[in-house]
Amino acid sequence: GENVEQHPSTLSVQEGDSAVIKCTYSDSASNYFPWYKQELGKRPQLIIDIRSNVGEKKDQRIAVTLNKTAKHFSLHITETQPEDSAVYFCAPHEYSFQKLVFGTGTRLLVSP
Amino acid sequence: EPEVTQTPSHQVTQMGQEVILRCVPISNHLYFYWYRQILGQKVEFLVSFYNNEISEKSEIFDDQFSVERPDGSNFTLKIRSTKLEDSAMYFCASRAGQGAYEQYFGPGTRLTVT
Repeated sequence: GENVEQHPSTLSVQEGDSAVIKCTYSDSASNYFPWYKQELGKRPQLIIDIRSNVGEKKDQRIAVTLNKTAKHFSLHITETQPEDSAVYFCAPHEYSFQKLVFGTGTRLLVSP
Repeated sequence: EPEVTQTPSHQVTQMGQEVILRCVPISNHLYFYWYRQILGQKVEFLVSFYNNEISEKSEIFDDQFSVERPDGSNFTLKIRSTKLEDSAMYFCASRAGQGAYEQYFGPGTRLTVT
């Protein structure tokens, strides 16, 4: 089955710093690369995604970069704020396959 | 904005009892999913459902589990004889259609088996 790993597992930054979370995957058929944010006790929510024909996508303070050859993609958060504190999951997959295979998760803590 | 809803928000049951978790997907969505998340762990796929039948299921989804879309709006997950290890948060999700990528998650049902 698909192996999806994230690094680091925990990340602590000061407010205003940047944070980068990396996701590596094994399935070369993956062509859709979303990132989900999950606050404590809440549902996972899609925050940004990228498709395999694009190398980078940005939405305000967040961006995702994709290296399909190396089978990894990264989430970049700039000017972090305390409300960015959450667990972030990647879920790379071949989009016509229906299931999401979540990564191991990264707990981000942004200190004021 | 339309949302996936789930009931109940929290269910406590005794080991061996049957539970039914309910979900109302976003109207006009065609693909439905159940996931579970054991406390402190990642979200795990259980089953996907399309056109009134299961399209894929994980090894977690054994004979104790079943899904149903009884009336065109509700989507249910039944666990026939609960075990302690079934304690988890269960999320329902829906997706619009073939060309849509995003799955929308419900708020979850926390199942506690005692």
